[in-house]
Amino acid sequence: AQKITQTQPGMFVQEKEAVTLDCTYDTSDPSYGLFWYKQPSSGEMIFLIYQGSYDQQNATEGRYSLNFQKARKSANLVISASQLGDSAMYFCAMRETSYDKVIFGPGTSLSVIP
Amino acid sequence: EPEVTQTPSHQVTQMGQEVILRCVPISNHLYFYWYRQILGQKVEFLVSFYNNEISEKSEIFDDQFSVERPDGSNFTLKIRSTKLEDSAMYFCASSGLAGAPNTGELFFGEGSRLTVL
Repeated sequence: AQKITQTQPGMFVQEKEAVTLDCTYDTSDPSYGLFWYKQPSSGEMIFLIYQGSYDQQNATEGRYSLNFQKARKSANLVISASQLGDSAMYFCAMRETSYDKVIFGPGTSLSVIP
Repeated sequence: EPEVTQTPSHQVTQMGQEVILRCVPISNHLYFYWYRQILGQKVEFLVSFYNNEISEKSEIFDDQFSVERPDGSNFTLKIRSTKLEDSAMYFCASSGLAGAPNTGELFFGEGSRLTVL
């Protein structure tokens, strides 16, 4: 069963605008971690942000913030003030604490328009 | 800043041949992983390795695949009798500092692109 869902295969955003990339997940483990990774066209995987299931506040890292809604099992990534360099694939990922593996969603391709 | 390094960056092989992909994880990390990504598609988990043994593996990781940490620094993925469908980018990753809780934040290498002809 698909554990990470990203319903937006592709997104466009105007430069300097904010954009939200959706992620929903499925787990019965009460303890888990959620991640977002960026993959530019060059191919490397870049860690952006982490949210623990017991964290009381939404995670923020610079222009990135994670809108964590635990009851809805969603962990949307918000990128503020988009830049041309934000154009990339974005992957949502989860690690259930009972396991070592981190599983990834199918990704969302973001294009920033000048 | 410490990083995960992978070699080779690109390998071309004939179908049926064996390949070994090499990785040097971050030195004080405890968990090591291999992932596969076919042509910019989904990043697929292959195997995790902890305390000198496989801790988890996916259904993709069948008898064709094996991993080894031969010398305390390198972490290798061996693919026996390669098939056309093994063509992909293979990422090594590591996580988990000794003495700290493992959040699972993965530090990725730049990947090894495998092309099977």
